[in-house]
Amino acid sequence: AQSVAQPEDQVNVAEGNPLTVKCTYSVSGNPYLFWYVQYPNRGLQFLLKYITGDNLVKGSYGFEAEFNKSQTSFHLKKPSALVSDSALYFCAVKGGWYGGSQGNLIFGKGTKLSVKP
Amino acid sequence: DSGVTQTPKHLITATGQRVTLRCSPRSGDLSVYWYQQSLDQGLQFLIQYYNGEERAKGNILERFSAQQFPDLHSELNLSSLELGDSALYFCASSPDPGSVYEQYFGPGTRLTVT
Repeated sequence: AQSVAQPEDQVNVAEGNPLTVKCTYSVSGNPYLFWYVQYPNRGLQFLLKYITGDNLVKGSYGFEAEFNKSQTSFHLKKPSALVSDSALYFCAVKGGWYGGSQGNLIFGKGTKLSVKP
Repeated sequence: DSGVTQTPKHLITATGQRVTLRCSPRSGDLSVYWYQQSLDQGLQFLIQYYNGEERAKGNILERFSAQQFPDLHSELNLSSLELGDSALYFCASSPDPGSVYEQYFGPGTRLTVT
């Protein structure tokens, strides 16, 4: 079965420092990986995805993610954090076409990012 | 703004009642997904429709049902509500269920069962 894990419940970073939010995955077949961000009392916003190709994926708001097949990881990164980046971040994998699921997202538990001035 | 709309934003109701949540997908998207977000269960997939037909079911209770109409909007019906059904319910849409497509989420409906 497809699954993702976000090992950190919370990540604290000082403004201007680089940030990393970790995600590991377990899939059968090719992984289709996504990052979403959720601000308080808002819906999920799509940040970026990995489908195939270049292992470094660039997304919205200066975020990027590195796909590492050997480590089954898809960590979210940003070179310089902003206070406004403080939010809940979700890693997700597509359900694929296995076990009857067709395209739904399977989410990690989420990581709360706190960026302090 | 994702282009996905959900109504109502908030819903407060009593145990045993029935409610209907409504979702309109982005223009051109044929696939609609429903998710439930709660503190203890996290974000869980409930059900998926594609062009009016049910495509996949996740952890959806038998008390819950959904449908997608010819104009592609979708409704999620929750009946015999229990306190544990209190959660944020999200609708998402994509052009089709294909793996290359990301899903765009609506703002959610916050359901409180008292």
